[in-house]
Formats: sequence, structure tokens, C-alpha cells
Amino acid sequence: GAVVSQHPSWVICKSGTSVKIECRSLDFQATTMFWYRQFPKQSLMLMATSNEGSKATYEQGVEKDKFLINHASLTLSTLTVTSAHPEDSSFYICSATLIGGPYGIGETQYFGPGTRLLVL
Amino acid sequence: KQEVTQIPAALSVPEGENLVLNCSFTDSAIYNLQWFRQDPGKGLTSLLLIQSSQREQTSGRLNASLDKSSGRSTLYIAASQPGDSATYLCAVFYGGSQGNLIFGKGTKLSVKP
Repeated sequence: GAVVSQHPSWVICKSGTSVKIECRSLDFQATTMFWYRQFPKQSLMLMATSNEGSKATYEQGVEKDKFLINHASLTLSTLTVTSAHPEDSSFYICSATLIGGPYGIGETQYFGPGTRLLVL
Repeated sequence: KQEVTQIPAALSVPEGENLVLNCSFTDSAIYNLQWFRQDPGKGLTSLLLIQSSQREQTSGRLNASLDKSSGRSTLYIAASQPGDSATYLCAVFYGGSQGNLIFGKGTKLSVKP
């Protein structure tokens, strides 16, 4: 149980195009999903918190107009990288917290397999 | 600033060895600490979660300890196997309304047959 999927697993695009990444909780409902980014040899860094039915909360330094997040249902959050540039090339991972989990929000995050983005 | 540091950055051992991975955090007011395993193309798998009130957790050949006052955690892997080869991440949660995990950069483990 508690599986999170991401699609696509990797994507190559030209500079200036937009890329949408989907994050789905397959067998549970998640009111909150998180989007992380990992540059080579760096730590995973939280980009934003996505709450179902409301606007996402972005971490300092993350441009909300560039990284559009939509959390339209309890099982799906999408991250759209708008007008992608080579510096946006990174590994993007989402996670979801389980409603009614034993420890509450933030204590049990289930991670997706990640999406590797390469912008040429 | 809340930071998590993992040492060593990489480790290569022969099969069968017992090994220890280290994690330190600058702010000891943690809510909990997790150890994850990251495999290429497979995302993150949670291995062990230690609450701030706990001192250790065990799962199979894995044992994680927590010394909150000194800001340290260790992950002990007994009788290592080639299948243990992966990057191991330590992440700290400080609570609050946002589920913000602070990750270390990881230790890349290679277990050679």
C-alpha cells in the first residue's frame, strides 16, 4: 500500500517549452503533497507544499509563476515548469502524506520515483 | 539555519561487513528523523523513522540510533550485501504546519561481492 507514482519518469525538452509532471497517490488519499528538487550532488530541497483545493505554498526562492502547482483532487498533484531553461534541469520528486496515518501530517511521507528533467 | 550533514559522502565495502553511516543536524529540536534509501530511477524508500523521544529503531539488519542532544544519528547495517548498494539519505522533520523534511546530501554505498 501507499504507492506514489510520477509521470513522466524522464523528459527532455527545448528551452522555452513548458513541462507538466504528474504525481499520483495510487491507493490512498492525500490532502497534502510535496514537491522536491534535487540537483546533482545536492540535497533534496522542498520546493512547495500542495494542498488539495487550495493554493500551493512555495519555499523561499522558488518562483511560483514559473513552477505552477495544481492539486485538483485527493490523488493528483501536477507541477508545471513553465518556459523551462537549462538551469531548471534537475530531478523532481513528489511525496504524499497519508490521511489518517498513525503519526499525522509530515511524519509519514511516501515518495514517488522522481522525474528527471533535461532542458536543452 | 537548519542543516543536515552526512558523512561519509561515499563508502565502498566488501560484502559481509558491518558498517555505520552518520548523520548530524544543527538544530536539535527535531520532531523526528528518518533514514531513506534512494535507488536510481526508483525514488525514495523510507527505512526507519525515529521519533524525538526514541533512541533507536530496528528493522531486520538495519538499526538506527538517535542522540538528539548531540544532534546525531547513525544507521548501522549488519552483514552488508550487494543489494544494499544505494544512496542513503537522512532527513529531519521539525514539525509545524508544513511537512518540511530537511535532507542531507546522502551517503552513496557500494557493497562489492
